[in-house]
Amino acid sequence: DVKVTQSSRYLVKRTGEKVFLECVQDMDHENMFWYRQDPGLGLRLIYFSYDVKMKEKGDIPEGYSVSREKKERFSLILESASTNQTSMYLCASRGQGGVHTEAFFGQGTRLTVV
Amino acid sequence: AQSVTQLGSHVSVSEGALVLLRCNYSSSVPPYLFWYVQYPNQGLQLLLKYTSAATLVKGINGFEAEFKKSETSFHLTKPSAHMSDAAEYFCAVSPYYGNNRLAFGKGNQVVVIP
Repeated sequence: DVKVTQSSRYLVKRTGEKVFLECVQDMDHENMFWYRQDPGLGLRLIYFSYDVKMKEKGDIPEGYSVSREKKERFSLILESASTNQTSMYLCASRGQGGVHTEAFFGQGTRLTVV
Repeated sequence: AQSVTQLGSHVSVSEGALVLLRCNYSSSVPPYLFWYVQYPNQGLQLLLKYTSAATLVKGINGFEAEFKKSETSFHLTKPSAHMSDAAEYFCAVSPYYGNNRLAFGKGNQVVVIP
């Protein structure tokens, strides 16, 4: 069974803290994604990575950075957490090859910044 | 950039009635299209995907979607709603050429009325 694992289901952090969200996939996928999910706004792409050490900004990259040092792991970093970053964060992975490659999602991390 | 539009954030349907969720994409070249479902407190799972082999696509749990190039649409239907269909549904698009970026619509929250 394919698996995308996010390190935490729930996190509470203080304003100004540096926050790391970790995601691991076991499918040898080239592409990995971080999305933010907010009510009424759907899933918005923060960053995605198409190979080790390679990344592209998504639609809302401000306040975030990412790291992909190994193919199976993609980290999202909040350099200085703010209350407006309270949200559900979803990680996904996807293989190459277009039409047959759907994305697989982790369970999500609900982050609260206080 | 590719995008999808889903109208009507909340959709109420009576048990046993037709479920119809609309998705329109913006692209000059038909992209890859997907429908995902998210049950409460869970990640997203694939319902179905358009592979260009057939315009009518059947998915899990009795759902199907029809690709209409002339209308740039990929609407999701189910003939008879069940209580277990209460969830959030997302349409997603990925470009036919270029990167593997996956963009989502804002979602439809489906409520099934007994």
